[in-house]
Amino acid sequence: AQSVTQPDIHITVSEGASLELRCNYSYGATPYLFWYVQSPGQGLQLLLKYFSGDTLVQGIKGFEAEFKRSQSSFNLRKPSVHWSDAAEYFCAVEGGRRALTFGSGTRLQVQP
Amino acid sequence: DAGVIQSPRHEVTEMGQEVTLRCKPISGHNSLFWYRQTMMRGLELLIYFNNNVPIDDSGMPEDRFSAKMPNASFSTLKIQPSEPRDSAVYFCASSLGDRATDTQYFGPGTRLTVL
Repeated sequence: AQSVTQPDIHITVSEGASLELRCNYSYGATPYLFWYVQSPGQGLQLLLKYFSGDTLVQGIKGFEAEFKRSQSSFNLRKPSVHWSDAAEYFCAVEGGRRALTFGSGTRLQVQP
Repeated sequence: DAGVIQSPRHEVTEMGQEVTLRCKPISGHNSLFWYRQTMMRGLELLIYFNNNVPIDDSGMPEDRFSAKMPNASFSTLKIQPSEPRDSAVYFCASSLGDRATDTQYFGPGTRLTVL
């Protein structure tokens, strides 16, 4: 069965600093990978997704992620964080059941 | 586009009562998903419909839970009888098609509290 690990429960960065959120997955075949963001009291919004091809994926709001098969990782990055990026971020894998298996999430706090 | 609509947004009920959560998917989408989010278990799929037919209900916790999709624009998730451990945020999501590459769009969720 597939699984997703987000090792960082909580991260705090200063506004304007760069950001990297870690995601490791376990899946036997080529995975479909996603990053979602959840603002307080809101549903989940898709930031970006990877299915195949170029391993560097661009998403909305200036986010990007890089798929590294050798490391089973799909880390999310942003070069300069804005206060509005404070939210919870979920990495997910689609493992053939059409269901998304989510990581436990990383809560991002942005300091002014 | 209105997005996925869920109602109610908040529900507080007492143990033993019946609870019905509602979802209206995005128009034209033919796949619908119910997820549950708790602190202990995170986000987990409960059930998935395609063209109004339940395809995978292996995530439904027990017989107290049931879900229906009588038409393409409406789905319900019912808990009867409810228990305190059912307290969670329940999300509905829909996607245009049935492929793994079809993005799932989430509603705002229903926060359920069972006292």
